[in-house]
Amino acid sequence: EAEVAQSPRYKITEKSQAVAFWCDPISGHATLYWYRQILGQGPELLVQFQDESVVDDSQLPKDRFSAERLKGVDSTLKIQPAELGDSAMYLCASSYSSAGETQYFGPGTRLLVL
Amino acid sequence: DAKTTQPPSMDCAEGRAANLPCNHSTISGNEYVYWYRQIHSQGPQYIIHGLKNNETNEMASLIITEDRKSSTLILPHATLRDTAVYYCIVRPDYGQNFVFGPGTRLSVLP
Repeated sequence: EAEVAQSPRYKITEKSQAVAFWCDPISGHATLYWYRQILGQGPELLVQFQDESVVDDSQLPKDRFSAERLKGVDSTLKIQPAELGDSAMYLCASSYSSAGETQYFGPGTRLLVL
Repeated sequence: DAKTTQPPSMDCAEGRAANLPCNHSTISGNEYVYWYRQIHSQGPQYIIHGLKNNETNEMASLIITEDRKSSTLILPHATLRDTAVYYCIVRPDYGQNFVFGPGTRLSVLP
């Protein structure tokens, strides 16, 4: 069964450092999402891509976060500089199209900022 | 804000049916009800979704009331591996953005 891949699974960094997360969606899925999940809460959408274009980044803290999906396949989420409050699980999801398809999630990257 | 209300936690005995309720009193006619679950330290897993009719798959059954203001996810024979946080989400069919609430933490007890 096809799955969303994410790496690394765990990342520990010091505040003010840069971190990057990678996501490879299910093959053929045009829509890709990045979510952030703080411990004890549900995931919150950070950014949504349709192919290589950003559809929604209204909740992305653009002063320190950036996301790209250059060829419309895999994607990278970057934080620079990391802050203590960025400690969370970062989840990637994908869906086949923008026409109401089910989202499938990857295993996530757990970030700890010291 | 999430458009659903779920109990924060529930217990269920292993082998018994787990019935997880969800209230979505402001649901619109074109909005689907989705259920996901998240086992500790993993990504959310899709379970089932529906619009009006009851739905069943290999994982669970979804019962939606006739007025669509509430629904119940049924795990017919809960196992210890079903211990997880279960999220009920209301989502428009034309949009993609899920809004997750805090969900229900289901504990299946031996």
